Amino acid sequence: IQLTQSPSSLSASVGDRVTITCRASQGMSIYLAWYQQKPGKAPKLLISAASTLQSGVPSRFSGSGSGTEFTLTISSLQPEDFATYYCQQLNSYPLTFGGGTKVEIK
Amino acid sequence: QVQLVQSGAEVKKPGASVKVSCRASGYTFTRYGISWVRQAPGQGLEWMGWISAYNGNTNYAQKFQDRVTMTTDTSTSTAYMDLRSLRSDDTAVYYCAAEDSAGYYYDWGQGTLVTVSS
Repeated sequence: IQLTQSPSSLSASVGDRVTITCRASQGMSIYLAWYQQKPGKAPKLLISAASTLQSGVPSRFSGSGSGTEFTLTISSLQPEDFATYYCQQLNSYPLTFGGGTKVEIK
Repeated sequence: QVQLVQSGAEVKKPGASVKVSCRASGYTFTRYGISWVRQAPGQGLEWMGWISAYNGNTNYAQKFQDRVTMTTDTSTSTAYMDLRSLRSDDTAVYYCAAEDSAGYYYDWGQGTLVTVSS
């Protein structure tokens, strides 16, 4: 299953609402995760099962979707949210990641 | 708490092999699996494969099928990723990741930079 993220990058201001889309090449279940990665650091799991927020992750992050289209939304962008975000499907092997979306400061 | 500690950076020549280790602590190692993910400089994440720490079953990405071997040592709670016939485009940071009961990567190692250069 190929995952296509859009946009590949975006510029936004603190307080903005940001939406990142992850499209799958074929229909899949909700076995989709979202990770945040900051420069020089390992990825961090934000959301599992398409919409389940991990413990300790701020509630401004949310995930939704099913089938072939999934979204990650940050309701009010904070300075610490500037990072690259990846989706990953765990529906079938080989597991795959989206190409990433870099969120930059406007 | 859960912690994955990887071995240090490596510099290898083309054609050589590299073995990266990932020592786990803070949880029952044999309960779930360990995956390996790599990231070339400035690029995205690439899934390499998975090993069950319970029974040693593996599932490799086809791209690496001929060149990679993933193993575990349950006595030391350590996972290993052995990549052979290295090429310059294998230069990357290699991560191990521990999965939860549903397979999501809830904890990651710090990464190991492998540089392949003549």
